Amino acid sequence: EPEVTQTPSHQVTQMGQEVILRCVPISNHLYFYWYRQILGQKVEFLVSFYNNEISEKSEIFDDQFSVERPDGSNFTLKIRSTKLEDSAMYFCASSERTGGETEAFFGQGTRLTVV
Amino acid sequence: GESVGLHLPTLSVQEGDNSIINCAYSNSASDYFIWYKQESGKGPQFIIDIRSNMDKRQGQRVTVLLNKTVKHLSLQIAATQPGDSAVYFCAEKSASKIIFGSGTRLSIRP
Repeated sequence: EPEVTQTPSHQVTQMGQEVILRCVPISNHLYFYWYRQILGQKVEFLVSFYNNEISEKSEIFDDQFSVERPDGSNFTLKIRSTKLEDSAMYFCASSERTGGETEAFFGQGTRLTVV
Repeated sequence: GESVGLHLPTLSVQEGDNSIINCAYSNSASDYFIWYKQESGKGPQFIIDIRSNMDKRQGQRVTVLLNKTVKHLSLQIAATQPGDSAVYFCAEKSASKIIFGSGTRLSIRP
């Protein structure tokens, strides 16, 4: 069964450093998403991406964040100058299309710890 | 604004009993809802969905009920098994994102 793959599974970084979280979406999917889940809390939408452009972003997704599809298979989330409060699970998801009745498949997540 | 929430943060049921997890939403224009299951250390996993033109949808051992009058939906799990232990989220799907509610942690008593 195809799946969304995320690397690394766990990233530890010092406050102020930049991190890049990587995702390989399902191959025939066209829509990509990043979500964040702070420990014990709900899953929060960060950004959606289609056709090499951001479709929608949340208030969380400020200038500290950026996304990129550098090649035909990877989808990355870059966090500049990390803060302690950026510590969370980050989930990548992809879907074949957008709109209702379109299942989004989630990766296993990257646990980011900022120290 | 958008809001999807759950009634109880935790639910404990006896193995073999039915589980009912409830969720409320605020946007009356919402037309597509999804239930996700999240096991420890994993990403959300799709369970079942329902459109607003339906009241009920059934899957394997799961049923989702939607009451648009009171903006409430529920997930029923029949004959709950130990493998059902997880956090369950209701979510609202809009054009380009999924909005998750707060979760209910389901635990199973042997």
